[in-house]
Amino acid sequence: KAGVTQTPRYLIKTRGQQVTLSCSPISGHRSVSWYQQTPGQGLQFLFEYFSETQRNKGNFPGRFSGRQFSNSRSEMNVSTLELGDSALYLCASSLTGMSAETQYFGPGTRLLVL
Amino acid sequence: EDQVTQSPEALRLQEGESSSLNCSYTVSGLRGLFWYRQDPGKGPEFLFTLYSAGEEKEKERLKATLTKKESFLHITAPKPEDSATYLCAVQAGRKSKFYFGSGTKLNVKP
Repeated sequence: KAGVTQTPRYLIKTRGQQVTLSCSPISGHRSVSWYQQTPGQGLQFLFEYFSETQRNKGNFPGRFSGRQFSNSRSEMNVSTLELGDSALYLCASSLTGMSAETQYFGPGTRLLVL
Repeated sequence: EDQVTQSPEALRLQEGESSSLNCSYTVSGLRGLFWYRQDPGKGPEFLFTLYSAGEEKEKERLKATLTKKESFLHITAPKPEDSATYLCAVQAGRKSKFYFGSGTKLNVKP
């Protein structure tokens, strides 16, 4: 079974630009979560989608948004990029995202904002 | 406030020198505790899920245990390839949210 895939793997943008990251979950998984990982803050939860609906949301500004498609693939968008948005963005999938289900992570997208 | 704390932040061991990593948590409505291994520049790799106090799970040189307030990841006779950052995560609450610790960076010297 193929794992979680994320594209692109690396991205360089400049301040003020916007970026869209993509995540394809494990086949059959319907819950997709996004995380931001930085050396100083560790793994921070962005949001979770299930059946095309945002079910949970972390404490990030509105510049961070996402969506999920009917095939469970998900995209994350960051508008008006800031230097502090440089991070590894991780996507994780699980069957339903409910109680005690394991989340499986993708390899991440490394975003560098100049 | 729901919180997950891992200690130590970093740990250097000689090959064969056993030790333990700690993950303490204060959450309401624990649903599960997860251990992950993360290599530099890669996504976290799932290791274990623990559901209730007293539970233990083993995989090769790793053994995870759970109490009502903390979990330990015991590493027996580690090898250099065990070097990585070990992350602990807790799923809790009515919305089954995930809370991650900041990780323990393990370095095993040959």
